[in-house]
Amino acid sequence: KQEVTQIPAALSVPEGENLVLNCSFTDSAIYNLQWFRQDPGKGLTSLLLIQSSQREQTSGRLNASLDKSSGRSTLYIAASQPGDSATYLCAVFITNQAGTALIFGKGTTLSVSS
Amino acid sequence: GAVVSQHPSWVICKSGTSVKIECRSLDFQATTMFWYRQFPKQSLMLMATSNEGSKATYEQGVEKDKFLINHASLTLSTLTVTSAHPEDSSFYICSARASGTSSYEQYFGPGTRLTVT
Repeated sequence: KQEVTQIPAALSVPEGENLVLNCSFTDSAIYNLQWFRQDPGKGLTSLLLIQSSQREQTSGRLNASLDKSSGRSTLYIAASQPGDSATYLCAVFITNQAGTALIFGKGTTLSVSS
Repeated sequence: GAVVSQHPSWVICKSGTSVKIECRSLDFQATTMFWYRQFPKQSLMLMATSNEGSKATYEQGVEKDKFLINHASLTLSTLTVTSAHPEDSSFYICSARASGTSSYEQYFGPGTRLTVT
């Protein structure tokens, strides 16, 4: 059974710091890996999607890497800003009886202080 | 593009009543839609996968007779929580996968907060 773990569960940093969020998964048989942002009481905003054949994806100040063989992904946020404060979720695409499914980690709650 | 809406965004109901939540893909057709549940400080848990015109596939531990899913069109799926109880209080999020694409990407709705009193 696929399990996704995110470390740390919470992180507080001052504005301007670079930071890394970690995600690990137990079964390397994944299609893709996706990072999301969730603001309190809100839905999900997709940040980056990494295909299984890719090693990394970049969007602005965000960079996500994927190492399937070791079951790890990292999300790097450069020059953090207070507006980056949110919960960041990692999810992997797997196959199940219905076709495909996303399995989520519990998230890392980030707080960036000004 | 790829916008998914949910209605209502917030609902309070009394124990024993039923509540219907709608999920719509606004600018694309979605053969497959997904329903997730999220308890406070917990991860999103997939409840069921619904394909247009067929019965939903439920994840282990999810009662199909309690959580009725209908996906009658390519732009609308509904989740009905029947005989709701306080333990059903949660944040329900739907997502949709666009038809006619090889991409596995899902587009998420804004969620529905259900409180059962």
